[in-house]
Amino acid sequence: AQTVTQSQPEMSVQEAETVTLSCTYDTSESNYYLFWYKQPPSRQMILVIRQEAYKQQNATENRFSVNFQKAAKSFSLKISDSQLGDTAMYFCAFRGDSNYQLIWGAGTKLIIKP
Amino acid sequence: DVKVTQSSRYLVKRTGEKVFLECVQDMDHENMFWYRQDPGLGLRLIYFSYDVKMKEKGDIPEGYSVSREKKERFSLILESASTNQTSMYLCASSLIGGGENTEAFFGQGTRLTVV
Repeated sequence: AQTVTQSQPEMSVQEAETVTLSCTYDTSESNYYLFWYKQPPSRQMILVIRQEAYKQQNATENRFSVNFQKAAKSFSLKISDSQLGDTAMYFCAFRGDSNYQLIWGAGTKLIIKP
Repeated sequence: DVKVTQSSRYLVKRTGEKVFLECVQDMDHENMFWYRQDPGLGLRLIYFSYDVKMKEKGDIPEGYSVSREKKERFSLILESASTNQTSMYLCASSLIGGGENTEAFFGQGTRLTVV
């Protein structure tokens, strides 16, 4: 069975700092998709970034980038120049190529301090 | 602008009541999901549907049922609400294909309290 582990329940950093959130996963599938979602206090879950396993290049979206290590089954999220609006729960999720379901990590609460 | 809309942001119900949570999407997505979100547990799948009238149990279906009579609407039903069903409920939808279409879109969540 696939599993997703986020080992950091909570993190806090100063505004403008860089922060990295960890995610590891376990799967026997050869192709799959990985996601980072953000859930701010408004509760609206928003996709931050996605990565397809067969793409070797790490995905980047503005200040957000991932470090995808397929052999280590690691998918960390780096937030550069953090802003107060980045304060949120961040969830890592996995979807295999053979099913519709997303498998979720427990989440990391990120607090950006002014 | 894509949209998944849940009928209520907050609900308070009494133990034993039958509760309906409604979700509507306007993106013509085949897949629709109901999740339960509890602190420290992430999102747990209750049920999902990949087509009208089709449904599949997720990880925690006990005490819940679902209905999908139209493609755009997916309802979660608590047959007899209990206090341990107090939680945040999230609805999501996605296209059935893979590749670039694997993103799930979420509603704003319903915080249900059973007293």
